[in-house]
Amino acid sequence: GAVVSQHPSRVICKSGTSVKIECRSLDFQATTMFWYRQFPKQSLMLMATSNEGSKATYEQGVEKDKFLINHASLTLSTLTVTSAHPEDSSFYICSARGRGGFEAFFGQGTRLTVV
Amino acid sequence: QKEVEQDPGPLSVPEGAIVSLNCTYSNSAFQYFMWYRQYSRKGPELLMYTYSSGNKEDGRFTAQVDKSSKYISLFIRDSQPSDSATYLCAMSVQNNFNKFYFGSGTKLNVKP
Repeated sequence: GAVVSQHPSRVICKSGTSVKIECRSLDFQATTMFWYRQFPKQSLMLMATSNEGSKATYEQGVEKDKFLINHASLTLSTLTVTSAHPEDSSFYICSARGRGGFEAFFGQGTRLTVV
Repeated sequence: QKEVEQDPGPLSVPEGAIVSLNCTYSNSAFQYFMWYRQYSRKGPELLMYTYSSGNKEDGRFTAQVDKSSKYISLFIRDSQPSDSATYLCAMSVQNNFNKFYFGSGTKLNVKP
């Protein structure tokens, strides 16, 4: 399968600061990227969908000003958690899909801890 | 009611056992059914997917869909310790692969 690299795998930040998470498709062009949040023992919750070169589409209840998503190229999307608070602590996972494809490939995930 | 329900487990079986993992769903519009495997602290990887009803086999894995009962299953034959992971089911409606509905995952432990 195709490779999606997510970085960092783990980050600890202070409350009030911003954190950027990168998601890269290494061997294919990702026309669509997805950002999920996963709480312990719960399902993946889709936060937003982004298509290269256009604004992300956020799911209901997700604050777009808090979770900034940029998909500036066909191989890179970023999620910035702004003014992070302890309740933002979670496992964030991206996935990416190529043009015309069905399968979306997942990154390794980022464990964010806000202290 | 959640769109997709999945027993979180954990499910513990001895090596070599046949494992049955299941999900139920409420939306009759779901047409694509997927099973993902997720190792601890890693992202999910797609194991199998099926379209509409029926069975699909891939090596030791068999996926079954019963749309009349809104019930899907993943069977693992001759289970191995390396199969120990969390298994998530996911579903989508026709022509909308931008929205997958995931189950909460079942944690499987295969004991040597």
